[in-house]
Amino acid sequence: NAGVTQTPKFRVLKTGQSMTLLCAQDMNHEYMYWYRQDPGMGLRLIHYSVGEGTTAKGEVPDGYNVSRLKKQNFLLGLESAAPSQTSVYFCASITRLGLRSNQPQHFGDGTRLSIL
Amino acid sequence: GESVGLHLPTLSVQEGDNSIINCAYSNSASDYFIWYKQESGKGPQFIIDIRSNMDKRQGQRVTVLLNKTVKHLSLQIAATQPGDSAVYFCAEKLLLGSQGNLIFGKGTKLSVKP
Repeated sequence: NAGVTQTPKFRVLKTGQSMTLLCAQDMNHEYMYWYRQDPGMGLRLIHYSVGEGTTAKGEVPDGYNVSRLKKQNFLLGLESAAPSQTSVYFCASITRLGLRSNQPQHFGDGTRLSIL
Repeated sequence: GESVGLHLPTLSVQEGDNSIINCAYSNSASDYFIWYKQESGKGPQFIIDIRSNMDKRQGQRVTVLLNKTVKHLSLQIAATQPGDSAVYFCAEKLLLGSQGNLIFGKGTKLSVKP
């Protein structure tokens, strides 16, 4: 059971380049989340999805797009990377029942992204 | 806006001592609180949680205390071990709205001295 898997683990981009971060979970979770973590700050929610084919904005959505074409995958895209997007990105997931019955989200190990 | 914060950014304790990590939250509508542990290069790992209808919950070597009167949450680690060295985050879940999304504190770095 792999849980939540994020790829790639590390990436360096130049300003203006685009890329897609992949989050995959094998737990049949309905809800998936993308967070960013910056030094000295807690995790901030970028976008989330409550099910296949649906996405919604979180606290800091600007400069990012997401897609949830398959239930097990949640993609985070940067169309034109900026240095301010240098961060560690975490994906998390939970079942709908787990959310409503107050259970914790499950996290991946992160993608470290540097924008030069 | 409403946020979850921590009183101390760093905490250093001697191996074998007890550790107490504090968290202040500002949203009285939150109904669920979680403590996560994050080791270097890893994602947040669930430690313990507590619902708003409780004031104390114990796990193995960890205890979470919730004081709703002053909106304060604490994590107590008994007999702290070197393996406990990590950053600890508290998070709250709003009861109403926001799809039950979590709001995270900034984290406290716990260092255990051998």
